[in-house]
Amino acid sequence: QQPVQSPQAVILREGEDAVINCSSSKALYSVHWYRQKHGEAPVFLMILLKGGEQKGHEKISASFNEKKQQSSLYLTASQLSYSGTYFCGTEHSGYALNFGKGTSLLVTP
Amino acid sequence: DVKVTQSSRYLVKRTGEKVFLECVQDMDHENMFWYRQDPGLGLRLIYFSYDVKMKEKGDIPEGYSVSREKKERFSLILESASTNQTSMYLCASSVPGQGAFNQPQHFGDGTRLSIL
Repeated sequence: QQPVQSPQAVILREGEDAVINCSSSKALYSVHWYRQKHGEAPVFLMILLKGGEQKGHEKISASFNEKKQQSSLYLTASQLSYSGTYFCGTEHSGYALNFGKGTSLLVTP
Repeated sequence: DVKVTQSSRYLVKRTGEKVFLECVQDMDHENMFWYRQDPGLGLRLIYFSYDVKMKEKGDIPEGYSVSREKKERFSLILESASTNQTSMYLCASSVPGQGAFNQPQHFGDGTRLSIL
């Protein structure tokens, strides 16, 4: 029941855009997004709720497509500080999350 | 700010030893979680707890147990450590979800455990 993330890795130049996708085989009520920088703890970015709500954080936004059971994370005009591994999390139960394998993002000057 | 503290950043133990990993949170969160993180596999849930003395198995509980005697502390126990348990272990906490919606999880910095 682990969600599937794509791509596995992406390299960008500063200022470029990227999209990270997260797909689930089961119906979802919400999707979480986290970012983990090298050697640090994962940090919560945002929750997408059932209803297709789009949310934003800095120049990072995300959407949730109920029909496709998919969420996409959009990184606009990427900055060096965006480098890290991005994880999506879907409901495991009323308490816990199933996390994807992660997408490694590297932003170069 | 929520603070989740894991007792050790790095730990080296021998095969067959009983290993304790400790996690403490300072925000009175009901939910606490233990994950292991391995390259290419993401974060996998070992155990979680939604209240003192309550525990639930996650996806990979074999070889592990947990203890939650106080609300702020959640311990992960490797009963007889094996080399395949060499990994990064992450603890997290959260407030209870609202209906079907989970609340954000706050993570500790992790313990890198090596079993020799």
